[in-house]
Amino acid sequence: GQNIDQPTEMTATEGAIVQINCTYQTSGFNGLFWYQQHAGEAPTFLSYNVLDGLEEKGRFSSFLSRSKGYSYLLLKELQMKDSASYLCAVRAHYSGAGSYQLTFGKGTKLSVIP
Amino acid sequence: ETGVTQTPRHLVMGMTNKKSLKCEQHLGHNAMYWYKQSAKKPLELMFVYNFKEQTENNSVPSRFSPECPNSSHLFLHLHTLQPEDSALYLCASSPRVGQPQHFGDGTRLSIL
Repeated sequence: GQNIDQPTEMTATEGAIVQINCTYQTSGFNGLFWYQQHAGEAPTFLSYNVLDGLEEKGRFSSFLSRSKGYSYLLLKELQMKDSASYLCAVRAHYSGAGSYQLTFGKGTKLSVIP
Repeated sequence: ETGVTQTPRHLVMGMTNKKSLKCEQHLGHNAMYWYKQSAKKPLELMFVYNFKEQTENNSVPSRFSPECPNSSHLFLHLHTLQPEDSALYLCASSPRVGQPQHFGDGTRLSIL
């Protein structure tokens, strides 16, 4: 089985930096995804890490440490439109299933305040 | 426009009704997925189709019946649902299984 933990809610100020953590326990780990979901909308893909280290994409960066079962999403220069839920998802390979499976965490609801 | 279109956006049905959810993707992807999203719970993977063949069924009750006639279309047939089945049902697609997924806007289902 898999266990994915991330904080339920976070609040940060416009213009600031916020780090959203995600820890996981899984076998057959094969990558970690971050998605953004605004209320009432579809999740949208933000980033993907399969090797240790930092992946940077504009204001968003994602970090992975496979040995620690840990990832974080870093959002810089926060804007009001960044208020959303951020979903951490772990991809794992199951030999029995013969395919990959993506398991999502419960998501972190980020509120950006003026 | 996400490239993945789901209809209807909202559905209210009684427990004895039969209805179907439809998903269509215009991205040329080969893998399609059904997820259930309930309040306070993580996204739950229900079914995975790869090149029209079902590869995953995550212990979903038989009152949910998927159908994938081709790589662009995915249906979820519903019958004799329970109140706890009320949720947002999301369809997603990806070029291949395991790659980043594009999600539709979902169907908000309410069971009376």
